Amino acid sequence: RKEVEQDPGPFNVPEGATVAFNCTYSNSASQSFFWYRQDCRKEPKLLMSVYSSGNEDGRFTAQLNRASQYISLLIRDSKLSDSATYLCVVNVYNTDKLIFGTGTRLQVFP
Amino acid sequence: GAGVSQSPRYKVAKRGQDVALRCDPISGHVSLFWYQQALGQGPEFLTYFQNEAQLDKSGLPSDRFFAERPEGSVSTLKIQRTQQEDSAVYLCASSLVWLAGGKKGTDTQYFGPGTRLTVL
Repeated sequence: RKEVEQDPGPFNVPEGATVAFNCTYSNSASQSFFWYRQDCRKEPKLLMSVYSSGNEDGRFTAQLNRASQYISLLIRDSKLSDSATYLCVVNVYNTDKLIFGTGTRLQVFP
Repeated sequence: GAGVSQSPRYKVAKRGQDVALRCDPISGHVSLFWYQQALGQGPEFLTYFQNEAQLDKSGLPSDRFFAERPEGSVSTLKIQRTQQEDSAVYLCASSLVWLAGGKKGTDTQYFGPGTRLTVL
């Protein structure tokens, strides 16, 4: 079983739609959580960190449920430019390496 | 400012050849990471340096893989006797180290564009 699991998608949604991605992690010692975005044939870039209290950045909202070991990302009012792969990432306590999920592909169509 | 750079961007090797992949981290970044990303997968951790010290090499898939960072800045990932299963994108990332309240950790990791290795 992979340490970080995501639905690979693809999620095909029209512009303006709201879409949610979920992710589960297996290591209860995980301490930091992130969503990275990766465009086709490009490097991953940090989209946002995820905090226990939940956090929002414009149209993006991230939630963390430590008890269920579950992370989510909500994108409101989808834009064509949101089309990318969204990687769920965790960092385990006392290590510096990042553990990535396989990514969820989002395609926003006009 | 300049981000993480990697060279070459593309490398084609015949099976059995040795390859060397270079990473130039962001200036002043203490931590440097190597990841391997196979097609359709997320990046997988290979190894990690803090300055010139290799603190974790648990992700290196075999003893054919070797990484170094002799002066604490540029790093090289070397793969000996390449195999077809080594074909992947090799990503380098760098970050600052933070110190607070007696704890130490790494800040946001910034990734380079990667080297796409194809082994024929």
